[in-house]
Amino acid sequence: GEDVEQSLFLSVREGDSSVINCTYTDSSSTYLYWYKQEPGAGLQLLTYIFSNMDMKQDQRLTVLLNKKDKHLSLRIADTQTGDSAIYFCAENDNQGGKLIFGQGTELSVKP
Amino acid sequence: NAGVTQTPKFRVLKTGQSMTLLCAQDMNHEYMYWYRQDPGMGLRLIHYSVGEGTTAKGEVPDGYNVSRLKKQNFLLGLESAAPSQTSVYFCASRQPHGTSSSYEQYFGPGTRLTVT
Repeated sequence: GEDVEQSLFLSVREGDSSVINCTYTDSSSTYLYWYKQEPGAGLQLLTYIFSNMDMKQDQRLTVLLNKKDKHLSLRIADTQTGDSAIYFCAENDNQGGKLIFGQGTELSVKP
Repeated sequence: NAGVTQTPKFRVLKTGQSMTLLCAQDMNHEYMYWYRQDPGMGLRLIHYSVGEGTTAKGEVPDGYNVSRLKKQNFLLGLESAAPSQTSVYFCASRQPHGTSSSYEQYFGPGTRLTVT
């Protein structure tokens, strides 16, 4: 079945770049997503990429998609303490529009 | 627009008790979802609905029932709560593919449920 995998933790220093990686299994996904969850809060859509794109840039965020390897990454430039959160990768299931989530990567930004 | 709202925000139940979680959306979305979030496991889909009067099972449906009597509401019921159902529950909604803004799934703020 479909599966999305992420590493659980990442720690960086303020001002460095953060790279969060994700692998997925469903090659028919139309969109791939990055959601951010701050402590005690719901999920907020950070960015998404259409499956026919290789890269998408949005201010400090860069998403790279390697369809051959089914690998998705999120790069956050100039990481700030306010970026500390859990980041979820997700792929969509074209049946019913369901999202399949990874386990989430907890990003810790140290001053 | 309020977006997606969930009621209640917190609840403590004893084993065997029942309760209903309410999700409401004011965006006229066709699709609605219930997920549960547990530490280290991401979000897992419990049930979903692709339209008023329809429901379908997700990845972890056992112990839960749902109803979608009105397009804007999606109810999640626990008939006999168990400690394994202690979790944070999120509701979400979206438009079908091919409609405007259909790429985004909008989430509610969550309901934190503890079963003792």
